[in-house]
Amino acid sequence: NAGVTQTPKFQVLKTGQSMTLQCAQDMNHEYMSWYRQDPGMGLRLIHYSVGAGITDQGEVPNGYNVSRSTTEDFPLRLLSAAPSQTSVYFCASTQRRGELYGYTFGSGTRLTVV
Amino acid sequence: AQSVTQPDIHITVSEGASLELRCNYSYGATPYLFWYVQSPGQGLQLLLKYFSGDTLVQGIKGFEAEFKRSQSSFNLRKPSVHWSDAAEYFCAVFTGGGNKLTFGTGTQLKVEL
Repeated sequence: NAGVTQTPKFQVLKTGQSMTLQCAQDMNHEYMSWYRQDPGMGLRLIHYSVGAGITDQGEVPNGYNVSRSTTEDFPLRLLSAAPSQTSVYFCASTQRRGELYGYTFGSGTRLTVV
Repeated sequence: AQSVTQPDIHITVSEGASLELRCNYSYGATPYLFWYVQSPGQGLQLLLKYFSGDTLVQGIKGFEAEFKRSQSSFNLRKPSVHWSDAAEYFCAVFTGGGNKLTFGTGTQLKVEL
């Protein structure tokens, strides 16, 4: 089925470890974003991309890196995991004029940093 | 700066009762507004959206929302709630400069049988 695929679904990391959260979409969407969801805080934007080769910071970018080498993929890298990065991470994508269509979300990655 | 406020953190309604979830936004230009629903352990599903025209918009699962510019509100309603509607609901406004969504903090809906 077409959509946004995130892997892994669950992950436990030790403080200081690094890892990459994968996100892929097969809808040829130009815009992709990463959000983190924390209780009582809704979803906050980490990084976003308006097309291959173009990325920018969102509201809470510290401790995360992204790249966009293809239209389909938008991985999120944690360079040195910290307990404060324990969260649920969502990847989302939309097409041009996304304000008319809204974003399509992946099913999320639940990350625990111990 | 744009923002979205959902003043109710938790709401409990009885099955069959009507529902209204509140959402207020702050955005300088014409807002593009969305409601998403998140079932436990799941991603976010789009319920409905507003970007122009009729201020009462219909969505999936029997939900509707009314845009009121004078009150900067976009409240979500359902005439008769089903037990399967228990979930968390998020209001969001679409902002330019990268097509970003700014979310409210969410309202957790509990349905009593």
